[in-house]
Amino acid sequence: NAGVTQTPKFQVLKTGQSMTLQCAQDMNHEYMSWYRQDPGMGLRLIHYSVGAGITDQGEVPNGYNVSRSTTEDFPLRLLSAAPSQTSVYFCASSNTANYGYTFGSGTRLTVV
Amino acid sequence: GQQVMQIPQYQHVQEGEDFTTYCNSSTTLSNIQWYKQRPGGHPVFLIQLVKSGEVKKQKRLTFQFGEAKKNSSLHITATQTTDVGTYFCAGPGGTGGFKTIFGAGTRLFVKA
Repeated sequence: NAGVTQTPKFQVLKTGQSMTLQCAQDMNHEYMSWYRQDPGMGLRLIHYSVGAGITDQGEVPNGYNVSRSTTEDFPLRLLSAAPSQTSVYFCASSNTANYGYTFGSGTRLTVV
Repeated sequence: GQQVMQIPQYQHVQEGEDFTTYCNSSTTLSNIQWYKQRPGGHPVFLIQLVKSGEVKKQKRLTFQFGEAKKNSSLHITATQTTDVGTYFCAGPGGTGGFKTIFGAGTRLFVKA
């Protein structure tokens, strides 16, 4: 099993560019979430999904969009990148709410 | 919204010393989870506590959930260099409790 796969691992964007961070899981998990991690800030929830077709906002959703057309995939879209979005992004999935999230290896994004 | 506060932010210990990190919530939690993130890695789920006053052990790690279900602690006995990393607590948040909200984490440094 691959678990949670995130691509790309590294990305540099210019201010104003858009891009999609990919996340796929092969564990048939219903719950998926996107977090960003900044030094001293822990993991902050961006968006989450409780199943295909259902998404909701987390703590810091501004500037990001998500969709969940299949159980396996949960892409995160940056609409117009800003330097404040420089961060490490983690995708995570679980088969139950609030239990044992499996994390991907992360995407390190730099916006210049 | 629901917040999970963690202290201390950093802890330096000599190998063999004990270590404790504390997690406090402003609201009663239905459960609390603990994760470990090695430097440069991704968070890895350690355990979930559900019952008031619950205590669980994993080798040298002892996890406690407070009687009021508003606080939790992780205690490591006789730290080793392999314990280095950041320890996060996480709890449910938002309407329905489908969000998983993380504390800022405690980074543990172990000197050999």
